[in-house]
Amino acid sequence: RKEVEQDPGPFNVPEGATVAFNCTYSNSASQSFFWYRQDCRKEPKLLMSVYSSGNEDGRFTAQLNRASQYISLLIRDSKLSDSATYLCVVNRNYGQNFVFGPGTRLSVLP
Amino acid sequence: NAGVTQTPKFQVLKTGQSMTLQCAQDMNHEYMSWYRQDPGMGLRLIHYSVGAGITDQGEVPNGYNVSRSTTEDFPLRLLSAAPSQTSVYFCASRAGPRNTEAFFGQGTRLTVV
Repeated sequence: RKEVEQDPGPFNVPEGATVAFNCTYSNSASQSFFWYRQDCRKEPKLLMSVYSSGNEDGRFTAQLNRASQYISLLIRDSKLSDSATYLCVVNRNYGQNFVFGPGTRLSVLP
Repeated sequence: NAGVTQTPKFQVLKTGQSMTLQCAQDMNHEYMSWYRQDPGMGLRLIHYSVGAGITDQGEVPNGYNVSRSTTEDFPLRLLSAAPSQTSVYFCASRAGPRNTEAFFGQGTRLTVV
């Protein structure tokens, strides 16, 4: 079993839709959590950190459930420019080890 | 702002050849790392460094060497290229251990034939 697992995707949604991505992690010692975005043939870039109380950044909302070892990302009012692969990332023990999930690809269709 | 710079962007090697992928950052970050990205696998950590003179192995270190003689540079050496090393390689840096953003280079697409 992979340490970080994500919805396999791809997700194809129309503009304006709301879409949710799920991520689970297996190492209970994990301390910090992130969502990264990766455009096709580009490098990953930080989308947002995920805090225990949940956090929102515009149309994006991230939730963390430590008891269930589950992270989610909600995108409201999807735009064409949201089309990308979304990577769930977990940092164990505040160390160097960022562990990446395999990613979920989103295509927002006109 | 340059951020993290990787060279080359593309490379084709023959089996058994060696080469060095270059990575430099201008943000004075202590932490640097190398990942490879393969379809369906996510990014996997090859080697990392928490400061000049300090390196350690990640999840998939076999066939690769690194060194960190300066804070800015973290080259990755392929000792004897194999087709299994065909991948996209990313270098990343971040300031420190807690909740800090990782900045990635643009990647190197390596094909070993």
